[in-house]
Amino acid sequence: GDSVTQMEGPVTLSEEAFLTINCTYTATGYPSLFWYVQYPGEGLQLLLKATKADDKGSNKGFEATYRKETTSFHLEKGSVQVSDSAVYFCALILAGGYQKVTFGTGTKLQVIP
Amino acid sequence: DAGITQSPRHKVTETGTPVTLRCHQTENHRYMYWYRQDPGHGLRLIHYSYGVKDTDKGEVSDGYSVSRSKTEDFLLTLESATSSQTSVYFCANTEIAGGPHNEQFFGPGTRLTVL
Repeated sequence: GDSVTQMEGPVTLSEEAFLTINCTYTATGYPSLFWYVQYPGEGLQLLLKATKADDKGSNKGFEATYRKETTSFHLEKGSVQVSDSAVYFCALILAGGYQKVTFGTGTKLQVIP
Repeated sequence: DAGITQSPRHKVTETGTPVTLRCHQTENHRYMYWYRQDPGHGLRLIHYSYGVKDTDKGEVSDGYSVSRSKTEDFLLTLESATSSQTSVYFCANTEIAGGPHNEQFFGPGTRLTVL
């Protein structure tokens, strides 16, 4: 079946460090890919998305590029802030279904001053 | 923001009791979902709805039922709660009208503890 694999957390970084959270996927079709973020005590919210190969999603300084050849969608940010501390989920949706999302297990990021 | 509220936000109950969680939306999106979030598992789909009275099972539906009698409300019922159902439950919705892969909007979650 379809699946999403994320790097294990937690990830602890100092403020202004470079962030990479790896995400790879397995899908029977041609998915759209998403990164969601969950701040403490809240629900998930969309961070960015990409719907076809080589698309780059970006938002709030975060970026991820849809790499079909490596089935990956790694999340990057050049300079993290304390306010970026959250749990990040990689996810995919396949066309033709009832918009059912397959989520990764989440990666907790902690940024220290 | 698709205006999702969940109630209650926190609940403690005992094994064997029935529990109903409510999800209410203000945007009248067609598709609604119930997920549970557990450490090491991310979010897993319990049930979803693609219209009033139209529902289907997700990957972890055993022990749960849902109902959708109005567009705005999606209820999740634990028929007889067990400790394995202790979790955080999220409701979500989406509307396909804008394209095939729209984002899902999530509610704030309900933390359920079954003793």
